[in-house]
Amino acid sequence: GQQLNQSPQSMFIQEGEDVSMNCTSSSIFNTWLWYKQDPGEGPVLLIALYKAGELTSNGRLTAQFGITRKDSFLNISASIPSDVGIYFCAGFRDDKIIFGKGTRLHILP
Amino acid sequence: DSGVTQTPKHLITATGQRVTLRCSPRSGDLSVYWYQQSLDQGLQFLIQYYNGEERAKGNILERFSAQQFPDLHSELNLSSLELGDSALYFCASSSASGTVTDTQYFGPGTRLTVL
Repeated sequence: GQQLNQSPQSMFIQEGEDVSMNCTSSSIFNTWLWYKQDPGEGPVLLIALYKAGELTSNGRLTAQFGITRKDSFLNISASIPSDVGIYFCAGFRDDKIIFGKGTRLHILP
Repeated sequence: DSGVTQTPKHLITATGQRVTLRCSPRSGDLSVYWYQQSLDQGLQFLIQYYNGEERAKGNILERFSAQQFPDLHSELNLSSLELGDSALYFCASSSASGTVTDTQYFGPGTRLTVL
């Protein structure tokens, strides 16, 4: 079946650093979504992408819908302590949504 | 606080049993979505209801069923429970009638443990 490969699985960074994570698939998707999940809470939608090549920002977050429609990228600039959490990508096609396994972001003091 | 409430917060039960999870959407939201999050499978979309009608189906097992009532709250019924059903079950709601890509507000989840 369709799978999303999200990488890296986890990241340890210093506060203030920029972060990059990505999702790839062998399948084409029509929509890419990026969520963040804090411990003990449900996911929160960060960015939605609807068109190949689209680049969308939400504050310090920027995400791109890959031109091949098989991948997406999320960048976080100037990380701060509240960025800690798990980031999930999700691809949507034919009424089906598939989630990546998540990237766990740790920020070192 | 997303405005979505889920009960119970935790549920511990035995294999073969049946449980019901309850969700109250945000005020005014007509769409309710159910998700399962486990260590093995990650986050999976189960099913969506809009104003009482089933709208979309994901990886929901036949042993599972859901419904949305006239007051818009929803219940997820899990029967013949297996160890592998242990997971966090999330409910989400949105004001849109469209698809799972609409902006959704997630509840805090119900953690189900099957022993």
